[in-house]
Amino acid sequence: GENVEQHPSTLSVQEGDSAVIKCTYSDSASNYFPWYKQELGKRPQLIIDIRSNVGEKKDQRIAVTLNKTAKHFSLHITETQPEDSAVYFCAASGSYQLTFGKGTKLSVIP
Amino acid sequence: GAGVSQSPSNKVTEKGKDVELRCDPISGHTALYWYRQSLGQGLEFLIYFQGNSAPDKSGLPSDRFSAERTGGSVSTLTIQRTQQEDSAVYLCASSLEGVHEQYFGPGTRLTVT
Repeated sequence: GENVEQHPSTLSVQEGDSAVIKCTYSDSASNYFPWYKQELGKRPQLIIDIRSNVGEKKDQRIAVTLNKTAKHFSLHITETQPEDSAVYFCAASGSYQLTFGKGTKLSVIP
Repeated sequence: GAGVSQSPSNKVTEKGKDVELRCDPISGHTALYWYRQSLGQGLEFLIYFQGNSAPDKSGLPSDRFSAERTGGSVSTLTIQRTQQEDSAVYLCASSLEGVHEQYFGPGTRLTVT
């Protein structure tokens, strides 16, 4: 089955700096890669996703890149703000079931 | 519109008791998923329902876990003879048929004492 590794497990950045979270996956049949943001005690929220026919996707301060050959994808957050502080999860899917990474706790220091 | 809802939000039960967790998907979403999130961990897939097709139960950790979906809408996850290791947040998600994007409910935090 699919296996998703996510790094780092914790990340602290100064407000205004960029944050990068990286994930690798094992199943070459995976073709959908979402990112979820989970604030403490809240539900996971889909923030951006990318499909295997696209190499990069951007939405305001958030971007995701995908390297199918290397089987890795990354989340980039620019101009970080305190409200970006949360746990971020990457996931991979070939059909419907999502396989998640273990999460990255991002802390943005004002 | 209304998002995915789950009840109860919190459940404390004694070891050995049975519990039922409920999920109401987004109206019109034919696909429904259950995941489990243990403390500090990612989300673990449990079961998937799609329309009238047989559910994919491949993620259920033991035969103490079962789920059903009545009328293609509301789903109930049942855990029999609960154990302390069952303590976790149980999350439900739904999506449109054939669409990858999954939307999560707020979860039920289960504590087995």
